[in-house]
Amino acid sequence: DSGVTQTPKHLITATGQRVTLRCSPRSGDLSVYWYQQSLDQGLQFLIQYYNGEERAKGNILERFSAQQFPDLHSELNLSSLELGDSALYFCASSVTSGGYRGETQYFGPGTRLLVL
Amino acid sequence: GENVEQHPSTLSVQEGDSAVIKCTYSDSASNYFPWYKQELGKRPQLIIDIRSNVGEKKDQRIAVTLSKTAKHFSLHITETQPEDSAVYFCAAMDGNKLVFGAGTILRVKS
Repeated sequence: DSGVTQTPKHLITATGQRVTLRCSPRSGDLSVYWYQQSLDQGLQFLIQYYNGEERAKGNILERFSAQQFPDLHSELNLSSLELGDSALYFCASSVTSGGYRGETQYFGPGTRLLVL
Repeated sequence: GENVEQHPSTLSVQEGDSAVIKCTYSDSASNYFPWYKQELGKRPQLIIDIRSNVGEKKDQRIAVTLSKTAKHFSLHITETQPEDSAVYFCAAMDGNKLVFGAGTILRVKS
């Protein structure tokens, strides 16, 4: 157990809908990262928040957004869902902002999203 | 941005043999290289990492080597066991984000 929690574990929804995925980092970690894992794209970085502020952005679609709250938990919002959004969504956390010092990122158990 | 290539995509070894997985990266500024193991349906788990000021790091049956000049790093698993069967991902740090290789499916046959 990494100490990172994610809810829900599974989510089944229809195209066009909106869902919210939740992540709580390890105690004391200030950074949260979101990754998408699909069969054809592998593990792709979406976005990072550090202490409530967006710190880095990856291949995140405009239909997707995230935020980090004062208690440091984070939510990833996915809207206007398409079939291709079906994937495993992981969040990870690290102590500080990471960067070129290279910090260990600890992954949560993931949320499996199925869009029908 | 950073690009990480990983080989092979699948690897089958006999129990007790060694396994080697290789990765190359493109950004010479990258200085942190973790390896993650992922079992089916589970989260990626860090198994070992290396920073650019070190050429080799070992943890029991697992070792990682890094060549900054060649922009190449490798994972070595000795005395493989059936429980080593999983998907292994290498990664390189690009700014604040990890860029992952495509993964290697390791099968250890008993």
